Amino acid sequence: DGGITQSPKYLFRKEGQNVTLSCEQNLNHDAMYWYRQDPGQGLRLIYYSQIVNDFQKGDIAEGYSVSREKKESFPLTVTSAQKNPTAFYLCASSIGGGFNTEAFFGQGTRLTVV
Amino acid sequence: AQSVTQLDSHVSVSEGTPVLLRCNYSSSYSPSLFWYVQHPNKGLQLLLKYTSAATLVKGINGFEAEFKKSETSFHLTKPSAHMSDAAEYFCVVTSSGGYQKVTFGIGTKLQVIP
Repeated sequence: DGGITQSPKYLFRKEGQNVTLSCEQNLNHDAMYWYRQDPGQGLRLIYYSQIVNDFQKGDIAEGYSVSREKKESFPLTVTSAQKNPTAFYLCASSIGGGFNTEAFFGQGTRLTVV
Repeated sequence: AQSVTQLDSHVSVSEGTPVLLRCNYSSSYSPSLFWYVQHPNKGLQLLLKYTSAATLVKGINGFEAEFKKSETSFHLTKPSAHMSDAAEYFCVVTSSGGYQKVTFGIGTKLQVIP
């Protein structure tokens, strides 16, 4: 089945540690995105990538980093520089670089800093 | 500037009664509009989308929405609520320009009372 897979579903991190969230898609989509979701704030864009080896900062990129070495994969690293990393993280992909077509979302990773 | 306003953060209906989730938008460009649904601790699933074709859009699970340019609205409706409709719903507006013009509403939580 085609889809987008995020792992792990739940993640705990100690303060000061970096952690990487995985996002894989087998939909052959060019564009991939990372969002952060906090209660009452909707979704906020962290990073997006329209093609392999290229990515752009979204609205809240500080404290995060990404890579796009393969079309299928778009991992997100939450660094120790992110001051408030506890949140629900969603990865998405779409056919093209624009967003006028449907975006497909993963099931999310809930990150908790302890 | 582009924005989307979901007028109710919480909506509660009885099972079998109509559902109305309200969304107003503003955009300097010809917008595309989407409604997504999110069940607890899950990713987002597309319900329906408007991309300048018919103004009345039918989606999955009996939902529909009407694009009203004069009112800048894109309200989501369903004639009869089902218990499985209890979830959070997001209205999304994009411009026809490029990725950067994607805006999520803050979400409306729908409660269905038996």
